[in-house]
Amino acid sequence: GENVEQHPSTLSVQEGDSAVIKCTYSDSASNYFPWYKQELGKRPQLIIDIRSNVGEKKDQRIAVTLNKTAKHFSLHITETQPEDSAVYFCAASITGAGSYQLTFGKGTKLSVIP
Amino acid sequence: EPEVTQTPSHQVTQMGQEVILRCVPISNHLYFYWYRQILGQKVEFLVSFYNNEISEKSEIFDDQFSVERPDGSNFTLKIRSTKLEDSAMYFCASRERAWDNQPQHFGDGTRLSIL
Repeated sequence: GENVEQHPSTLSVQEGDSAVIKCTYSDSASNYFPWYKQELGKRPQLIIDIRSNVGEKKDQRIAVTLNKTAKHFSLHITETQPEDSAVYFCAASITGAGSYQLTFGKGTKLSVIP
Repeated sequence: EPEVTQTPSHQVTQMGQEVILRCVPISNHLYFYWYRQILGQKVEFLVSFYNNEISEKSEIFDDQFSVERPDGSNFTLKIRSTKLEDSAMYFCASRERAWDNQPQHFGDGTRLSIL
C-alpha cells in the first residue's frame, strides 16, 4: 500500500519567516495530495490540495508544489503568523476502483514564535 | 457551511465493553470514512463505506469493528469488546464523490478513552 513520509516532525520559525514542510510518497499511482491543518484537540481542516496534473498551486500565503518524478510534494507558508501554529499533515490518495481513502504522513508541529 | 457532526465528543468506557460512535455526514455526500488518531500520532484509515456497504478496510479494522448506516443520515462505528489500545480520537469524514478527488471533510472527532 501507499506510504507517506513527512519531514520535519517539528519546525519552529520566527513570525514573518517562511516554513516549508516536505512529504514523499511511495505509490506512483497516487494523484491527489491534500494538506490538513490540525489545531490542538480539533478536526483536521483542509487548507490546500493539489492534483497530479498540476505542478504548483497557491492560495494567498500558502503554496504547494508537486514533483511527480521524484514522488514528493511540499507545503510552503510565507509570512508566517502565530495563528499558523498547528500540526500539519500531508496525505496522498489513489484514484481508481475503490474508496480513495487518504494515507497520512506523521505530521509536522509548526510553532511560529512572535 | 455544512459540517460533519460527531457524537459524543468524549466517551469513557471500561475495557471489554461495547461502544458506538455516531456520525452525521454532510447530507449530499455519498462516501463515508472512519479514521483514528492515537494521541500524538498520525491519522490512520480504518474503513470506507459507499452504497450501503464497506468499500475498503485497513488491517486495524478487525472483527471487533463494524460500521452501519442505520438510516438516511447516521453513520456509526461500533467496537464490540474494547481494548486499552482502542483509546484514540476517532474521526468520521465524508465526501460528495470520489472519482474526481473531491476533498474529504472531517468531523470534530470522538475521543475514546478505555479504562
